[in-house]
Amino acid sequence: NAGVTQTPKFRILKIGQSMTLQCTQDMNHNYMYWYRQDPGMGLKLIYYSVGAGITDKGEVPNGYNVSRSTTEDFPLRLELAAPSQTSVYFCASSYGTSGTGEQFFGPGTRLTVL
Amino acid sequence: KNQVEQSPQSLIILEGKNCTLQCNYTVSPFSNLRWYKQDTGRGPVSLTIMTFSENTKSNGRYTATLDADTKQSSLHITASQLSDSASYICVVSGGRGSTLGRLYFGRGTQLTVWP
Repeated sequence: NAGVTQTPKFRILKIGQSMTLQCTQDMNHNYMYWYRQDPGMGLKLIYYSVGAGITDKGEVPNGYNVSRSTTEDFPLRLELAAPSQTSVYFCASSYGTSGTGEQFFGPGTRLTVL
Repeated sequence: KNQVEQSPQSLIILEGKNCTLQCNYTVSPFSNLRWYKQDTGRGPVSLTIMTFSENTKSNGRYTATLDADTKQSSLHITASQLSDSASYICVVSGGRGSTLGRLYFGRGTQLTVWP
């Protein structure tokens, strides 16, 4: 199993540009998550999904959108990039029916908005 | 407010020495507490998961303890190695209702092991 994979690893955007961060898992997990990690801070939840076709907001959803058309994929969309979105983004997935199972993280995408 | 506080913020130890990292939380209701290791430039990797009924859990040289009454946990690393240099993150999972499955992350303790 590859686990949770994310692309790209690094990206530099100009203010106002848009992009999609890709996330794929091959563990057949129903729960998937997007987090951002700012320097010296704990991870903050952006969006999560409890299964295909179902998504919900986390702590910091503003400026982002997600979709979950398949169990495997959970892309994160930035429509109008802003410097405040400079961060490292982690995708994660977990098993179980209540979201309390162990979460497996991808390697992260380091995004810089200039 | 549901929070997770870790101490110390950073720690430097010599190779072969032991160390203990602390985690205090206010998350309630509580489902489980996790310790993750995050190497620089990588995603977090789970070390241990403990429910409220478990007092201790080991994973090789890592031993986590939990006191659900005082809402405190510790991670003890024995005979440290250079590869232990990383950030160690305490994560608490909410128990039910609006917090069910919600993870609350500490800021991490940055451990550096010197030869």
